[in-house]
Amino acid sequence: GQNIDQPTEMTATEGAIVQINCTYQTSGFNGLFWYQQHAGEAPTFLSYNVLDGLEEKGRFSSFLSRSKGYSYLLLKELQMKDSASYLCAVTPRPGNTPLVFGKGTRLSVIA
Amino acid sequence: GAVVSQHPSWVICKSGTSVKIECRSLDFQATTMFWYRQFPKQSLMLMATSNEGSKATYEQGVEKDKFLINHASLTLSTLTVTSAHPEDSSFYICSATPRSSYEQYFGPGTRLTVT
Repeated sequence: GQNIDQPTEMTATEGAIVQINCTYQTSGFNGLFWYQQHAGEAPTFLSYNVLDGLEEKGRFSSFLSRSKGYSYLLLKELQMKDSASYLCAVTPRPGNTPLVFGKGTRLSVIA
Repeated sequence: GAVVSQHPSWVICKSGTSVKIECRSLDFQATTMFWYRQFPKQSLMLMATSNEGSKATYEQGVEKDKFLINHASLTLSTLTVTSAHPEDSSFYICSATPRSSYEQYFGPGTRLTVT
């Protein structure tokens, strides 16, 4: 089976740093994605990790440990507009295959 | 980046009628597209894989006779919800991946409300 776990909700303060964790157990692994989704909108791509380590892209960073089946998304200098759901997704097989999504973490940024 | 469009963005229909949703890749060809469904406060669930020129592959629990998928060209896939019921009300999202890319691009989604 496929199982991806992430916290349901998180709250953080504007200007702070927040880390959203994701653990996965899937039948295979060919990469892990993080998407941001605002209410009523489609997901937008944030990051992709296929090798262990940290990928940094501006205020957002994503980390992967394949041996632990673990990833996190780090958001720095939080802004109010960062309030959204953050979806962790795994592609179990190489090639053009569908993503397996976690349930998403709803992040609320407060003043 | 690549662009995927969906039409309509929202639709309201009466119970028992059929609704067609289009998914287009605007600047790339997609031999495979994916259809997801998302209920409020839940994550995206894969419904089916749409394959150009062949039958779609449906996930367990998704009725292929109710959710008709047609992938008639390399840039267009359609999802038809037949005999819609209120429980079919949901957010339907398609995605596609250009060749030599790992990233799935999502359409803007279609919100279906069945009354």
